[in-house]
Amino acid sequence: QQPVQSPQAVILREGEDAVINCSSSKALYSVHWYRQKHGEAPVFLMILLKGGEQKGHEKISASFNEKKQQSSLYLTASQLSYSGTYFCGTVSRGSGNTGKLIFGQGTTLQVKP
Amino acid sequence: SAVISQKPSRDICQRGTSLTIQCQVDSQVTMMFWYRQQPGQSLTLIATANQGSEATYESGFVIDKFPISRPNLTFSTLTVSNMSPEDSSIYLCSGRDVQETQYFGPGTRLLVL
Repeated sequence: QQPVQSPQAVILREGEDAVINCSSSKALYSVHWYRQKHGEAPVFLMILLKGGEQKGHEKISASFNEKKQQSSLYLTASQLSYSGTYFCGTVSRGSGNTGKLIFGQGTTLQVKP
Repeated sequence: SAVISQKPSRDICQRGTSLTIQCQVDSQVTMMFWYRQQPGQSLTLIATANQGSEATYESGFVIDKFPISRPNLTFSTLTVSNMSPEDSSIYLCSGRDVQETQYFGPGTRLLVL
């Protein structure tokens, strides 16, 4: 079952903040976040393995609510380089570290000067 | 982090022919996967490449059409057989390390005429 991302698209001005949500109908083992720029491979941002875990990567951070089967990606003080498509990927609980990573439909983020 | 390379990077093929895509990882990974991505779309899992045994295919993908090999921990091939224009897509190899981080290769852009 593919996780659902929202919103589908976001347009920001430099310096503004954004939140991208990822929701699953299945109990989750892990959530992965990626950014993909046009014509390039997806680039790993972070993985969240435990419910309640929060991680940060420069001005990009994420949280994982295991009970709600949801994760959110937070982009603060956005920069032009943040533009791209963000994908969440989920591994279902029960499959553990050998489970397959299934991706959401993606959220397109455009940061304007 | 693992670095994944793929060959060829792109190809134009005639319908009815087959193409084999090679994937090489520069370090040991626990798992390898093959994904397909249509332009502007999300990543769809084709199969999990199992070392020394038959790959595990997702619904909608079959071994006769997409035979996969993984002779060792760092190398895998995907063959797209008896191609039709509907097979035109980007094919991405992916590897997961012991920290459960999953990396992607640059992709193989396939156009079938």
